[in-house]
Amino acid sequence: DAGITQSPRYKITETGRQVTLMCHQTWSHSYMFWYRQDLGHGLRLIYYSAAADITDKGEVSDGYVVSRSKTENFPLTLESATRSQTSVYFCASMGAANTGELFFGEGSRLTVL
Amino acid sequence: AQSVTQPDIHITVSEGASLELRCNYSYGATPYLFWYVQSPGQGLQLLLKYFSGDTLVQGIKGFEAEFKRSQSSFNLRKPSVHWSDAAEYFCAVGALDSWGKLQFGAGTQVVVTP
Repeated sequence: DAGITQSPRYKITETGRQVTLMCHQTWSHSYMFWYRQDLGHGLRLIYYSAAADITDKGEVSDGYVVSRSKTENFPLTLESATRSQTSVYFCASMGAANTGELFFGEGSRLTVL
Repeated sequence: AQSVTQPDIHITVSEGASLELRCNYSYGATPYLFWYVQSPGQGLQLLLKYFSGDTLVQGIKGFEAEFKRSQSSFNLRKPSVHWSDAAEYFCAVGALDSWGKLQFGAGTQVVVTP
């Protein structure tokens, strides 16, 4: 029962580099999400996806790109990392639309120097 | 726009004592309300949720929450805290047409002392 896994768990990169955070879920959930967690802000939605090939922006999507070619994978790419993108990133999935229950991965801590 | 406020950033409670975490929301329509818990180094886990019906909802780990529309509140309670309840707690609000696109509060860190 792997559930939802994120990789890498920790990443240090430099300003301007491209970084991809991976998210994989084994439940075949339709909905997947990327949130970032920053002190004092709680979690903020970056992108979400209702199904394969269907994605939409969240509250803080600038500087991020996602794709969802397969139901189980939802990678998040920072095209040109900035220091303000230093954060903990959480991937989540949801099964049925009307449950409202998100299942979270353990997070990826990204530091941009 | 919807928003969630958790007035208490940090709460310290003795083991065995009661706990209440406050949550206030701002939302135009009927909100769908959630409490999540995050243990150190972990992702978030759903404690309980309110969609409709009985305003007192029971969750996992002995937690309950009460929805009070007149006060725009959804406070979380536990009668007797265990050391394992030390964690960060997040209140969140969602809408019927935006499942999963939750608005989270900033969180309340709970410390449990012996």
